[in-house]
Amino acid sequence: AQSVTQPDIHITVSEGASLELRCNYSYGATPYLFWYVQSPGQGLQLLLKYFSGDTLVQGIKGFEAEFKRSQSSFNLRKPSVHWSDAAEYFCAVVINTNAGKSTFGDGTTLTVKP
Amino acid sequence: DTEVTQTPKHLVMGMTNKKSLKCEQHMGHRAMYWYKQKAKKPPELMFVYSYEKLSINESVPSRFSPECPNSSLLNLHLHALQPEDSALYLCASSQGVLMTDTQYFGPGTRLTVL
Repeated sequence: AQSVTQPDIHITVSEGASLELRCNYSYGATPYLFWYVQSPGQGLQLLLKYFSGDTLVQGIKGFEAEFKRSQSSFNLRKPSVHWSDAAEYFCAVVINTNAGKSTFGDGTTLTVKP
Repeated sequence: DTEVTQTPKHLVMGMTNKKSLKCEQHMGHRAMYWYKQKAKKPPELMFVYSYEKLSINESVPSRFSPECPNSSLLNLHLHALQPEDSALYLCASSQGVLMTDTQYFGPGTRLTVL
C-alpha cells in the first residue's frame, strides 16, 4: 500500500526566512502528489499539485514544490515566510487504483516567529 | 464560485440524538466526499459519491449514514454516536473522481458527542 511520510511534526521559522517542508512517499510508480494547507478551524486548501512534466511546480501564496523521483520526495518550499503562513501542512498522494481516494501524511505544523 | 459550504459550524449532541450535517456546492461538481479529522491528525476518508451514487465507503460504522439528494447537496445523518466520534467533519467536492480532479474542501463541522 502507498504511504506518505512527513518527517517533521513541527517546524518553527522566523518571518522572512525560507521554508522547506519535507514529504516522502512510498509507491512503485509515480503517484499524483498534492500539498494542502489548513489554518486553525478551517478546511484544507490546495497549494499545488504534481501529475507529470516539469518537476518544479508553482502554487498559490508563493509556494513551490519539487518532485524528485530518485528520492521519492515532493518537498514544499517558500523563499520568504509570512506570519499568515502559520498553519498545518499536509502532503497527499493519489494512485491509479484508488481514484478519488487520497492518502495524507500526518502533517507538519508551521509556527512563524515575528 | 469555488466554495463548499457546510452547516452547522458546530454541533453538540448526546449519544441518543439524531442529527444531520449538510454540505453544499454550486460548482457543478459530480463527486462529493465526507472526511473525518481528529485533532492533530490528517483527514480520513469516509465516503465518496460519484454522480450521486455511493462509490466508496471506507468501512464506516452504520451510525453514520450518507445521503446525496442531488448533485449539489450531500448530507451525513448521525445516530447513536459515541464520544470517540467527536471530530471535525469535512466535506469536499471535485469535478469527478479522476486523480487529476482537485478536491475543494469546506470549512468543516466541529462535532462534539457527549
